[in-house]
Order: sequence, then structure tokens, then C-alpha cells
Amino acid sequence: KAGVTQTPRYLIKTRGQQVTLSCSPISGHRSVSWYQQTPGQGLQFLFEYFSETQRNKGNFPGRFSGRQFSNSRSEMNVSTLELGDSALYLCASSQGGSSYEQYFGPGTRLTVT
Amino acid sequence: GDSVTQMEGPVTLSEEAFLTINCTYTATGYPSLFWYVQYPGEGLQLLLKATKADDKGSNKGFEATYRKETTSFHLEKGSVQVSDSAVYFCALINTGTASKLTFGTGTRLQVTL
Repeated sequence: KAGVTQTPRYLIKTRGQQVTLSCSPISGHRSVSWYQQTPGQGLQFLFEYFSETQRNKGNFPGRFSGRQFSNSRSEMNVSTLELGDSALYLCASSQGGSSYEQYFGPGTRLTVT
Repeated sequence: GDSVTQMEGPVTLSEEAFLTINCTYTATGYPSLFWYVQYPGEGLQLLLKATKADDKGSNKGFEATYRKETTSFHLEKGSVQVSDSAVYFCALINTGTASKLTFGTGTRLQVTL
């Protein structure tokens, strides 16, 4: 079974621009969660989508948004990029429900200049 | 809120040495506990998990026991290899926020010949 895939793997953007990151979960998984990893703040939860609905949300500004499609693929969008948004963005998928194991993709490395 | 505390790294060991990485947690209710490992340039891999008190998770020679009385989930391995060099993250999911993983800060392990 194929693992979680994320595209693109690397991105360089300029302050004020916006960016969209994509995540394809493991086949059959209906839950997709997003995390931000930085050296200063560590791993922080952004949000989770289950069956196209946002089910849980972390403490990030409204510039960070996401969505999930009917095939469970998910995208996250960051608008009006700031230097502090430079990070590794990780996507994780799970079956949802009573199964709490989350499987992570390789991440998208975003650099904001 | 929920939190996870890990021992500071880096931890440097010689090959075949015994490994312990300490992890304690604070959470309401009955969380599930996890260890993830991150190799350079990669996402997180689920190493092991435990879902209730006194459960022992194990995988690839690594073990951790869910100790509710001490709120701990220490990672151990009897004989480390150079290939175990990575960053290890302890994490929990609280049944009240079932999709949100709360991570510790990570412990870097360096194993030398």
C-alpha cells in the first residue's frame, strides 16, 4: 500500500505571497491532519479534516486554511506569507474513528524570503 | 492543556550500548501514547504505541511501557546500532481531541562505532 505523499517537497516563496500544499493520504484513510515543524516551536498541530469537514483546529492565525476533497486528498493554504512561516509542513493520515495511529508523509519544506 | 516533556538531547552512545530516553506527560483522561522517529530529511515514522495503562509497545528492539502512576512512557533499547541515529519524539493523543497529536520537543540520538 502506498504511503502518504506530499507535493511539492520544496518551495521558496516571497513574503506576502500565498502558497498551497497538497497531501494524498494512504488509500482508505479518511482523516488528514497537518502539522508545522520548526526548530523553535517544534511540532505543532494545524488542523484535521475528516470526510471533507474540519474536525479539529490548532492555534494558528486565519491565514492558515485547509480543505479536503471527496477522495480524501487534502490541501492547505497559507496566505500573506511571513518569514516565520518558513517550516517543514507535515501531513498525516489515519483511518479516523477509533484508530488513532497517524502515518506521516515526507513533508513540504517551505522557505519564505 | 496536554503536554509532553522529553529529556534534552543530544544523546551520544557507542554502538551496542543501552538506550533510555525519558518521556513524561500531562493530560486529562486516558491518552494514547506514541514514539515517532525522524531520520534526516524525512517525515515521522511511527515506532511504537500504547493505548492503556501497563501496555508495552515494542518494535525493532525498542520498547516503552505506559506507566499511569508516574505519567511516563520511557523509550528503551538494549543494544543500539549506528542506524538508530535519528530524532525521537514522544507524543500523546487525548481521547477528548482524538485527531491532535501533542509532541515533545524531540531527542536527538547519535550512535558511534
